[in-house]
Amino acid sequence: EAQVTQNPRYLITVTGKKLTVTCSQNMNHEYMSWYRQDPGLGLRQIYYSMNVEVTDKGDVPEGYKVSRKEKRNFPLILESPSPNQTSLYFCASSLNRDSYEQYFGPGTRLTVT
Amino acid sequence: DAKTTQPPSMDCAEGRAANLPCNHSTISGNEYVYWYRQIHSQGPQYIIHGLKNNETNEMASLIITEDRKSSTLILPHATLRDTAVYYCIVRPPGQSAGNKLTFGGGTRVLVKP
Repeated sequence: EAQVTQNPRYLITVTGKKLTVTCSQNMNHEYMSWYRQDPGLGLRQIYYSMNVEVTDKGDVPEGYKVSRKEKRNFPLILESPSPNQTSLYFCASSLNRDSYEQYFGPGTRLTVT
Repeated sequence: DAKTTQPPSMDCAEGRAANLPCNHSTISGNEYVYWYRQIHSQGPQYIIHGLKNNETNEMASLIITEDRKSSTLILPHATLRDTAVYYCIVRPPGQSAGNKLTFGGGTRVLVKP
């Protein structure tokens, strides 16, 4: 089954404790991206990757890092999480830049205390 | 991206057709109309897209007016699982380097038994 998976689905952590949210897709997609979704603010893109070893900042990259060492994986790293990073995070993938259809993961609900 | 206007909410009876309108009066010639939906706290899901002609797939039909200033998403036989927020998006393919999706307010659809 074609899908995007994320882990963990739920995470409660404390300020400053490094964490990684994993994302993996099995569709051989070139494009992958991370979004966060907050009430009243909609979806905001954090980072995206056009292919292996190619990443770029989205609209809200501060406080986040990503890597794309393999085509299927695109982890999101929070080196020193802060409470304002409490949010619902989605990973997405698409075949390429012009793809109409984007596939989203199930989401990771992160709480930073 | 062209601005879209959708009603904030609507109810629909289970088994009946749900017609979701979207106004996009400032749409440009190369901009497509996309529809996504998001079931509560799940990842957004692509439904359908179109440029000029009406489109149909296994999930829904998309009717675009001749002047392209508005469109209607039709869910032919709504089920309780169709309860979600539906987003109408207008943009040209490949415009955004990150293939970024930006959701507006959407229409909250409640399918009732």
